[in-house]
Amino acid sequence: IAGITQAPTSQILAAGRRMTLRCTQDMRHNAMYWYRQDLGLGLRLIHYSNTAGTTGKGEVPDGYSVSRANTDDFPLTLASAVPSQTSVYFCASSDSGPGSNEQFFGPGTRLTVL
Amino acid sequence: GQNIDQPTEMTATEGAIVQINCTYQTSGFNGLFWYQQHAGEAPTFLSYNVLDGLEEKGRFSSFLSRSKGYSYLLLKELQMKDSASYLCAVTLNTGGFKTIFGAGTRLFVKA
Repeated sequence: IAGITQAPTSQILAAGRRMTLRCTQDMRHNAMYWYRQDLGLGLRLIHYSNTAGTTGKGEVPDGYSVSRANTDDFPLTLASAVPSQTSVYFCASSDSGPGSNEQFFGPGTRLTVL
Repeated sequence: GQNIDQPTEMTATEGAIVQINCTYQTSGFNGLFWYQQHAGEAPTFLSYNVLDGLEEKGRFSSFLSRSKGYSYLLLKELQMKDSASYLCAVTLNTGGFKTIFGAGTRLFVKA
């Protein structure tokens, strides 16, 4: 693994189904983030994690949950998907906080909820 | 509330210079980033400003005025590969690690 990876690349999901988007980084970054990107709205922060074992809510956390059991992995779960969650999801990481540290983004997961 | 404004689209000619503006109104400020995003790809880091002034990095420069809530990204000697979206982002000093992104400016470089 080099950098930050996400899986799956894309997914079509029926409304009401549970879905977990996976994110793994091998840069030993403390901080990780989940964003969704919608046309005309830019990137919006869903949840973040300052360090393993801690998580926080971003701008649009409703309907999503995260966990950070270790440094490398930061899965995002949709407990019961709805069509408004159709979006491109990006995971990112940075060394410590983002104050002066650039965020490295994964390739994204394109999710369609029908 | 938090707000970041940037133009939706811009068009420029290969070899020219283009300036992409960004204005922000946020509660707390801990730095401003510019990212480049090609269609269908992930954003990649271009620049970071936390103090007023100009930061230069090759063909790209970024300027910040904290008192005016204003930044710009300057791209010189435009190349076709510079056609992309440019995202302005502000990190908030609110005790948590939150970064707010603008909607992005799509730049089209024509021959």
